[in-house]
Amino acid sequence: GAVVSQHPSWVICKSGTSVKIECRSLDFQATTMFWYRQFPKQSLMLMATSNEGSKATYEQGVEKDKFLINHASLTLSTLTVTSAHPEDSSFYICSARDRQGSSTDTQYFGPGTRLTVL
Amino acid sequence: AQSVTQPDIHITVSEGASLELRCNYSYGATPYLFWYVQSPGQGLQLLLKYFSGDTLVQGIKGFEAEFKRSQSSFNLRKPSVHWSDAAEYFCAVGKGAGGFKTIFGAGTRLFVKA
Repeated sequence: GAVVSQHPSWVICKSGTSVKIECRSLDFQATTMFWYRQFPKQSLMLMATSNEGSKATYEQGVEKDKFLINHASLTLSTLTVTSAHPEDSSFYICSARDRQGSSTDTQYFGPGTRLTVL
Repeated sequence: AQSVTQPDIHITVSEGASLELRCNYSYGATPYLFWYVQSPGQGLQLLLKYFSGDTLVQGIKGFEAEFKRSQSSFNLRKPSVHWSDAAEYFCAVGKGAGGFKTIFGAGTRLFVKA
């Protein structure tokens, strides 16, 4: 099946710094990617929809200036956590949908990135 | 608002026994419904999905799920559980065009005992 990778798989940073997480579709082109956040032992929460070549669409309650999303190519979306604080520590997961756009498409999930802010 | 409820936080079954994981959803229209499995260190894997048509959906790894509109349910079943099935299972409903904006349930952790 299709593969989505994330880099890094884990990152530790100091409070106040910014962290960039990459999401790549390895064997298909993705016009749309999604970013989720998962707290320990909880479900995934959709943060935003990343559209290639246009601005991301954020879910209610998600700070767009805090979580910057860029989808510059059909295979890469990045999430930058700006001025990270300990409460931003979480597991960030991306998913990608191929560009065919049929109703039977599957979205493929990356393995996630564990962010710890000290 | 759309929501997904998985009433069981965790379930323990014996290897070889049957399994049913419950899922109820709230959605205003005909839903896109999914079951995913999450194993440590791996991405979410789609087990099966329902968009329309036959309400009994067959998935990978011997799983199936039945959509019951009258009960707003989409329970996942497997006739004989293997130790490798131990994982976290998420039921989800998709919204938006094509159902790709996904709302997940809280998950059910499956433990398999020998």
